[in-house]
Amino acid sequence: NAGVTQTPKFQVLKTGQSMTLQCAQDMNHEYMSWYRQDPGMGLRLIHYSVGAGITDQGEVPNGYNVSRSTTEDFPLRLLSAAPSQTSVYFCASRDRGARETQYFGPGTRLLVL
Amino acid sequence: GQNIDQPTEMTATEGAIVQINCTYQTSGFNGLFWYQQHAGEAPTFLSYNVLDGLEEKGRFSSFLSRSKGYSYLLLKELQMKDSASYLCAAEPISGNTPLVFGKGTRLSVIA
Repeated sequence: NAGVTQTPKFQVLKTGQSMTLQCAQDMNHEYMSWYRQDPGMGLRLIHYSVGAGITDQGEVPNGYNVSRSTTEDFPLRLLSAAPSQTSVYFCASRDRGARETQYFGPGTRLLVL
Repeated sequence: GQNIDQPTEMTATEGAIVQINCTYQTSGFNGLFWYQQHAGEAPTFLSYNVLDGLEEKGRFSSFLSRSKGYSYLLLKELQMKDSASYLCAAEPISGNTPLVFGKGTRLSVIA
């Protein structure tokens, strides 16, 4: 199993540009989520999904969209990038049920100029 | 709410023992996770506690007291490679929402 994969690893954007961060998992996990991590702020939840066709907002959803058309994929879209979205983005997946650990992708480092 | 608090930074000496505390205010949760995150890398799972008491895994142990809203991670025989951030995360009782993370404790192990 590849686990949780994310692309790209690094990205530089100009303010106003749009892009999609890709996330895929091959563990057949129902739960997937996106976090951003900033210095001193810890991991903050952006959006999450409990299954194909179901998404919900987390703590910091503004400026981001998600969709979950398949169990495997959970892309994160930035419609109009802003410097405040400069961060490290982690995708994670988790199986249904209590006591199931959450697996993280390697992260995408995004710089918005 | 699910406020989770951890110290921001700690320093300890190689070979020593260090305890990283985590306190939480939560309306209900299933269990508490600890993750390790090296600089520039993704968090990786260390331990999970759902019952009160101590869970031991080699050099790492984790403790939970649900009545006190308190957990700690104990690292023994510290090695330089243990320098990392340690994240405490609560599992919501709803089961349908992701883990809620504390801000992490950055541990520096010095010679």
